[in-house]
Amino acid sequence: GQNIDQPTEMTATEGAIVQINCTYQTSGFNGLFWYQQHAGEAPTFLSYNVLDGLEEKGRFSSFLSRSKGYSYLLLKELQMKDSASYLCAVRDLDSSYKLIFGSGTRLLVRP
Amino acid sequence: DTAVSQTPKYLVTQMGNDKSIKCEQNLGHDTMYWYKQDSKKFLKIMFSYNNKELIINETVPNRFSPKSPDKAHLNLHINSLELGDSAVYFCASATPGQEFETQYFGPGTRLLVL
Repeated sequence: GQNIDQPTEMTATEGAIVQINCTYQTSGFNGLFWYQQHAGEAPTFLSYNVLDGLEEKGRFSSFLSRSKGYSYLLLKELQMKDSASYLCAVRDLDSSYKLIFGSGTRLLVRP
Repeated sequence: DTAVSQTPKYLVTQMGNDKSIKCEQNLGHDTMYWYKQDSKKFLKIMFSYNNKELIINETVPNRFSPKSPDKAHLNLHINSLELGDSAVYFCASATPGQEFETQYFGPGTRLLVL
């Protein structure tokens, strides 16, 4: 079966650091994506990991451990505009490039 | 310029009606997708076309029929709409082998079936 788990909600304070975890069990693996989705808007691409390790992109970093079926998204120096849902998605191994999404983590940043 | 566009943005209709949602991308991508996002925000793939050819067809009722007249367009027609079809439908596009095959999403069509 295919399963992607994320916490439903998280709350953090402006200026702080927050880590959003994602665990996955899929029949195949060909990369993991993180998307950000503000309320009422489309998901937008944040990061991509296909090899183990940390990928850093400004205030956002994403980590992957394929052996553990685990990823996290790290957001530093939180800003109010970071309040959004963060979607973890795994690309299946077959040739159709299908993305399997988790249900998303709603992050609320408080002043 | 909008990279992936969808029309309409909002669609309110009665049960039993037939409706269509249109999607266009100007990114030159080869592959287009339709996703459904339900009230719990769970984003699930429905269909995918690569160069006008259907490559993904998840377990979706036959009432849903995608059509791709060319690789820049992917439309979704829904027959005999049901209450459970109420959701946000997102179109997306990507090109295999480029930019990690990142999928770019349209703004969504909010469908409400009464």
